[in-house]
Amino acid sequence: DAGITQSPRYKITETGRQVTLMCHQTWSHSYMFWYRQDLGHGLRLIYYSAAADITDKGEVPDGYVVSRSKTENFPLTLESATRSQTSVYFCASSEPQGIPHGEQYFGPGTRLTVT
Amino acid sequence: AQSVSQHNHHVILSEAASLELGCNYSYGGTVNLFWYVQYPGQHLQLLLKYFSGDPLVKGIKGFEAEFIKSKFSFNLRKPSVQWSDTAEYFCAVRLRRALTFGSGTRLQVQP
Repeated sequence: DAGITQSPRYKITETGRQVTLMCHQTWSHSYMFWYRQDLGHGLRLIYYSAAADITDKGEVPDGYVVSRSKTENFPLTLESATRSQTSVYFCASSEPQGIPHGEQYFGPGTRLTVT
Repeated sequence: AQSVSQHNHHVILSEAASLELGCNYSYGGTVNLFWYVQYPGQHLQLLLKYFSGDPLVKGIKGFEAEFIKSKFSFNLRKPSVQWSDTAEYFCAVRLRRALTFGSGTRLQVQP
């Protein structure tokens, strides 16, 4: 099915472990984004990517690593998970600004708990 | 850096009441403005957006928003809410690349 998918949907991990959240989109959108959603903060941008092999930091990048070897995939890795990274993570994609309907489309989210 | 403020954190209304959720942003240049909705347990969905032109924008499910440039505001309105509108609502601004979100307003509609 076309769209944007995230996996896993739920993850529990221990402090210090590495965990990777996957994001896949079938629209061939140029831009992809990772946000985290925390109570009282809305969504905050972690990293984004304008195209394959082009990534840039957002508002809260510390402790996260991303890669974009293929246009359709944008994995987010927590190299050494901390409790403060317990959150709901949303992936999104869009065409560049200026393209008609250049809105962002969001995936279903991954609820990550770090114990 | 741009910021987005949503002053109403939690709103409780009865069905058929009118709704207005405030949104103010800090950037003075050209921006794109959005309202997203997140129903319980679901992902964000776009309600409406403003890029240019008519400052009164109509979205899905009877929602509308008015862009007032002089007030840096983009308030969301609905004349008559339904129980199914219970959700969290996020205002967002895009300057160049990613979106900057407000902290959200939780709307609870009582039957």
